[in-house]
Amino acid sequence: NAGVTQTPKFRVLKTGQSMTLLCAQDMNHEYMYWYRQDPGMGLRLIHYSVGEGTTAKGEVPDGYNVSRLKKQNFLLGLESAAPSQTSVYFCASSPYGEQYFGPGTRLTVT
Amino acid sequence: QKEVEQDPGPLSVPEGAIVSLNCTYSNSAFQYFMWYRQYSRKGPELLMYTYSSGNKEDGRFTAQVDKSSKYISLFIRDSQPSDSATYLCAMGQYSSASKIIFGSGTRLSIRP
Repeated sequence: NAGVTQTPKFRVLKTGQSMTLLCAQDMNHEYMYWYRQDPGMGLRLIHYSVGEGTTAKGEVPDGYNVSRLKKQNFLLGLESAAPSQTSVYFCASSPYGEQYFGPGTRLTVT
Repeated sequence: QKEVEQDPGPLSVPEGAIVSLNCTYSNSAFQYFMWYRQYSRKGPELLMYTYSSGNKEDGRFTAQVDKSSKYISLFIRDSQPSDSATYLCAMGQYSSASKIIFGSGTRLSIRP
């Protein structure tokens, strides 16, 4: 079992560029989440999904979009990257309660 | 007032000591509680998950929940240098998939 995997591990973008972060889980979990973690801000929820084909906004959704076309995958998109989106992004999955996190993606927007 | 308060530390203790990490919360609706360990530049790793008041033990780790006082603790016995990490508490409600609140984390250092 790989658990939760994230692609890519690192990325540098220029302001205005777009990209997609991929999260995959092999635990057959219904719920999936995208967080960002910034120094002094802790983990903040961007978007989440309670099942295939569903998405919902979290605490800080602006500037991000998500899709859950397959149960095992949860994609996070940045349409026009801004320096304020420089952060570490974590994906998590959950059966119903506890969450299991991926290794993270370090994104720098210059 | 934050829903979850966690002392940020840093906390430094000698190897072999018992470590106590704590969180307080204000929302009595929280039903389940978790502790995560996060090494530098890694993802949070689930250590303990519990949904009832009392103690839950797993090896050198004990999670304690006191719902009446809105207080949770993680105890680490026989601490090792490899326990040096940031520890996050978290709590949630089964009725809401998005209502999961994380503490800001306590940075722990175990001195050999």
